[in-house]
Amino acid sequence: GAVVSQHPSRVICKSGTSVKIECRSLDFQATTMFWYRQFPKQSLMLMATSNEGSKATYEQGVEKDKFLINHASLTLSTLTVTSAHPEDSSFYICSAHMRTNEKLFFGSGTQLSVL
Amino acid sequence: GENVEQHPSTLSVQEGDSAVIKCTYSDSASNYFPWYKQELGKRPQLIIDIRSNVGEKKDQRIAVTLNKTAKHFSLHITETQPEDSAVYFCAASTGNRDDKIIFGKGTRLHILP
Repeated sequence: GAVVSQHPSRVICKSGTSVKIECRSLDFQATTMFWYRQFPKQSLMLMATSNEGSKATYEQGVEKDKFLINHASLTLSTLTVTSAHPEDSSFYICSAHMRTNEKLFFGSGTQLSVL
Repeated sequence: GENVEQHPSTLSVQEGDSAVIKCTYSDSASNYFPWYKQELGKRPQLIIDIRSNVGEKKDQRIAVTLNKTAKHFSLHITETQPEDSAVYFCAASTGNRDDKIIFGKGTRLHILP
């Protein structure tokens, strides 16, 4: 099946630093990628929709200046958590739509811990 | 926008018995309903999906039913096994590739020995 690679899998950083998370579709083109946040034992909360070559669409309540999304190619989207604070600690997961159908494939997630 | 409700939040089932998870959605334009299984610390995996032109779909021990009039859909797992223990998420979407998929809050399924 289709593979979505997400890196890094775990990040521990100091408060105030910025963290970049990469999401790559390895064997298919993804015109649309999605970024989610997941708190322990809770559902996936959509943060933003990332379209190749255009600005991301953010969900209500998600700060676009805080969570910078770049989708520069059909296989790569990045999420940068700027000036991270402890409340940003969470599990972040990306997903990608196959261009040929609407099936969604998920990355392996990034556990962010901000000290 | 779309709202997906999922019940129950936790389900314990004796090994070998069946498990049923139910979801409702609000947007009548939704016509694609995937189900995901997420094991602890891992990515969600698509296990089955159904489209609005189909009322039921089955894949071995897993089946999904859809009632578009009532706007609800269900996941059925028969002959449950220990490896079925996980969190299951239902979701709904219009099915267009750029449209976001809205998830239910998840059901934690425990298979009891």
